[in-house]
Amino acid sequence: GQNIDQPTEMTATEGAIVQINCTYQTSGFNGLFWYQQHAGEAPTFLSYNVLDGLEEKGRFSSFLSRSKGYSYLLLKELQMKDSASYLCAVTDSNYQLIWGAGTKLIIKP
Amino acid sequence: IAGITQAPTSQILAAGRRMTLRCTQDMRHNAMYWYRQDLGLGLRLIHYSNTAGTTGKGEVPDGYSVSRANTDDFPLTLASAVPSQTSVYFCASSAQGNTDTQYFGPGTRLTVL
Repeated sequence: GQNIDQPTEMTATEGAIVQINCTYQTSGFNGLFWYQQHAGEAPTFLSYNVLDGLEEKGRFSSFLSRSKGYSYLLLKELQMKDSASYLCAVTDSNYQLIWGAGTKLIIKP
Repeated sequence: IAGITQAPTSQILAAGRRMTLRCTQDMRHNAMYWYRQDLGLGLRLIHYSNTAGTTGKGEVPDGYSVSRANTDDFPLTLASAVPSQTSVYFCASSAQGNTDTQYFGPGTRLTVL
C-alpha cells in the first residue's frame, strides 16, 4: 500500500529552528508538496520538490531525497504564527496525490 | 470572487436528508477536488474532476456524487446523509492536475445528526 509518515505533533520554542520529517512509500514519484494549515482554516501551499536537494524560501526550506523516500521541512526563526499543522503530500506514478495525516507544530514563547 | 469559494460555511443536517455543498472557482483551473478532513486522518479525496465534463472517484466516494457542468463549479451532493459523513469538507482546484499546486476553499463544516 501507499503510505506517508509524519510525526503527529512537535513542540518548539519561539526563535528556534524545527525540522519536520516526512517519509513516503508510494508507487513511483512525481513530486512532493508541503502545505500549512492553521486550525480552522484551509491548507495553503508552502513548497514543492521534484528533484533531490534543498529548496529555500525565506524562513522555510524543504529538502528531498528520492532514493530514501524522505523529505523534511525546515522552519527557522520560529514565530508564534507558525503554530499550525504541516501536511506532506506525494504525487505517485499514476499522478494520484497521497496525503500524510499532518504534523501539528506547537510554538511556545 | 477571488480564488475559490464554498457554501455554506457550516450546516447541521438531519440524517436521511439530501444536501449539496457548493464550490466555485474563478481561476479557470481545469482540475477540481473534494476532500473530507477528519481528526487524525488527514485529507481524504472524495471525488475529482480533471476538466469540465469529466469526474472520477477518489478514496472515499461512497454516499457522495459530483458533477462538473462547467469550469467554475463543482458541487458535491450527499443523497441521503448519515452521521459518519459529519466532517469538514474542502474543495480545491489546480491548474492541470496533481503535479500542480492545489488551492483550497475555506471549507464547509457539516454535522449530520
